[in-house]
Amino acid sequence: EDQVTQSPEALRLQEGESSSLNCSYTVSGLRGLFWYRQDPGKGPEFLFTLYSAGEEKEKERLKATLTKKESFLHITAPKPEDSATYLCAVLGYTGSSNTGKLIFGQGTTLQVKP
Amino acid sequence: DGGITQSPKYLFRKEGQNVTLSCEQNLNHDAMYWYRQDPGQGLRLIYYSQIVNDFQKGDIAEGYSVSREKKESFPLTVTSAQKNPTAFYLCASRAQGGYTFGSGTRLTVV
Repeated sequence: EDQVTQSPEALRLQEGESSSLNCSYTVSGLRGLFWYRQDPGKGPEFLFTLYSAGEEKEKERLKATLTKKESFLHITAPKPEDSATYLCAVLGYTGSSNTGKLIFGQGTTLQVKP
Repeated sequence: DGGITQSPKYLFRKEGQNVTLSCEQNLNHDAMYWYRQDPGQGLRLIYYSQIVNDFQKGDIAEGYSVSREKKESFPLTVTSAQKNPTAFYLCASRAQGGYTFGSGTRLTVV
């Protein structure tokens, strides 16, 4: 069964204090791993898609990396406006391949204090 | 700008009442999805539709119903059979490799 686990559940950082969020996954063949940002009361906003181990993508202070078992979202010198919940989701080949069904982790809530 | 519009933003339901959540997209996407989000849990799939006039149950379809009469529209009805409907509901659509979410509807039972 496809499964996604994110850690930590919550993370508090001081402005400028770099850190990483983890997304561990179990899937029968990975078609894609997705990172989203979600602000309170709003829908998820797309950040990155990663397709194969070793792939990296960057956007401003965020960098996503992928291995065969997990993905990291690295946040460099975060600012208060980076505070949000970050969601990880996978799309696998088995079961979900024809439905486009994303399997989501429970999210990591990041708070960056000035 | 293309996107997904969900309405209303907030919805209150009385016990035993059916309510319908609207989801409209102008992205020309074939596939559309309804997810439910509860605090501390990942998004869970309720229903999905890959083409007009066809839809499939997701993981937690009991107490919900949908229709897909037009490509642009995928409304979700929360029926009285759904015993714990208070949640944040998200609609999404999918094109090649990409998923777009709406801004959500927060449903509360009063």
